[in-house]
Amino acid sequence: EAGVVQSPRYKIIEKKQPVAFWCNPISGHNTLYWYLQNLGQGPELLIRYENEEAVDDSQLPKDRFSAERLKGVDSTLKIQPAELGDSAVYLCASSLAGGNGYTFGSGTRLTVV
Amino acid sequence: TQLLEQSPQFLSIQEGENLTVYCNSSSVFSSLQWYRQEPGEGPVLLVTVVTGGEVKKLKRLTFQFGDARKDSSLHITAAQPGDTGLYLCAGVGGTSYGKLTFGQGTILTVHP
Repeated sequence: EAGVVQSPRYKIIEKKQPVAFWCNPISGHNTLYWYLQNLGQGPELLIRYENEEAVDDSQLPKDRFSAERLKGVDSTLKIQPAELGDSAVYLCASSLAGGNGYTFGSGTRLTVV
Repeated sequence: TQLLEQSPQFLSIQEGENLTVYCNSSSVFSSLQWYRQEPGEGPVLLVTVVTGGEVKKLKRLTFQFGDARKDSSLHITAAQPGDTGLYLCAGVGGTSYGKLTFGQGTILTVHP
């Protein structure tokens, strides 16, 4: 069974440019999460989806970050415009209801120069 | 705001030594998970503890959930270089159903 698939694995962009990350969760996992992780730190939740509904986006910087999960399966996270401080690893995870079967993807490492 | 305090932040030991990582919170969680993460990869779930006072063993790793379900510990016996990595505890639920709240992580280095 394929795990959580994220792409791209690495992305280097100049500041003020837009960037998008894609996530394909495990089949049957209704809950999808986007996390931000700085080097050597624990992940921090950006947004959580139950099917196509964003049920917790309180930590998402909405002035420059946006996310969507239109059909309740794949999801994209976008930053526009990117800032130097956005350099981090962006992790996607999915789970069954209640957090069972929590599985992370390998992440996208973003470097803003 | 729910917080998980993880300690120590860094741990550098010799092969064969024992170690304990602690995870403490003022909040009650429905369960607590421990993850291990290697460079360039996402966190991988090691164990989930659910019941207050629960103890789970995974080979040389022993996980304990506090009686009040606010704290947990991870003990590694006879550490090996392959144990090197970032260890993360995460509380499940609490005030936000299904949400994971992560500690800051413990970077463990085991020297041969």
